[in-house]
Amino acid sequence: DVKVTQSSRYLVKRTGEKVFLECVQDMDHENMFWYRQDPGLGLRLIYFSYDVKMKEKGDIPEGYSVSREKKERFSLILESASTNQTSMYLCASKTSGIGHNEQFFGPGTRLTVL
Amino acid sequence: KQEVTQIPAALSVPEGENLVLNCSFTDSAIYNLQWFRQDPGKGLTSLLLIQSSQREQTSGRLNASLDKSSGRSTLYIAASQPGDSATYLCAAPNQAGTALIFGKGTTLSVSS
Repeated sequence: DVKVTQSSRYLVKRTGEKVFLECVQDMDHENMFWYRQDPGLGLRLIYFSYDVKMKEKGDIPEGYSVSREKKERFSLILESASTNQTSMYLCASKTSGIGHNEQFFGPGTRLTVL
Repeated sequence: KQEVTQIPAALSVPEGENLVLNCSFTDSAIYNLQWFRQDPGKGLTSLLLIQSSQREQTSGRLNASLDKSSGRSTLYIAASQPGDSATYLCAAPNQAGTALIFGKGTTLSVSS
C-alpha cells in the first residue's frame, strides 16, 4: 500500500515563527503536492513538485515556499507564520503518466498560529 | 479553468438506504476523475479512480460513473451503513493535467 506520512498531526506556532511541515512518501512517486483545507473553501493547491528540486506554484502560493531535495520528501515552509495560515495542511503524491493520476494523501497536519 | 461542484452539500439518510452523490465539472477534456472519503479531522482516502475510457468503476458497495459529455459523475452507495458517515469529495484534473481540482464535498450522515 502507498503510504504518505506527515511529520505532525497537530502543531501550534506563534505569529512570525518559521514553520516547517514535512511529508514523506514510500512509493517512489515523482509528483508531490501540498494543499490547505478550510471550511467553506475546500482544498486549495499551494505548491506541487514533479521531480527533485523542481517546484510549481499552485493557486495560493503566497506566504509559502517548498523544498524537494530528495524524491521521497517534500517540505512546506511558512517563512513567517500568520494567523490566516491557521488551517489543515494535506500532502499528497502520485506517479507520473497520464493514465496514472490516482493521488494518495497523508493524514494531515492541523496548524494553529496564535 | 476547471471548476468542480458537488450537490447536495449535506445529506442525511436512514441505514439501509441506497443513495447517489453528484459531482459536475466544467472542463470535460479530462482523462480521469477521483472520488475520496474524508472522516472528521483526518486525511483523504481514495475510493475510486475512473479513467475517461471507463463509464463505471465499482468497489464493494460503491459504484462511480463518469459521463464526460455532460460533465457529470455520480457515486452510488448501496445499502448505506452508519460507518459510511463522512464527507465525500470528487476531484478532476486541472486543464494542464498537473493537479486535482476538488469539489467542496457532500457530508453524509447515516443514522441507525
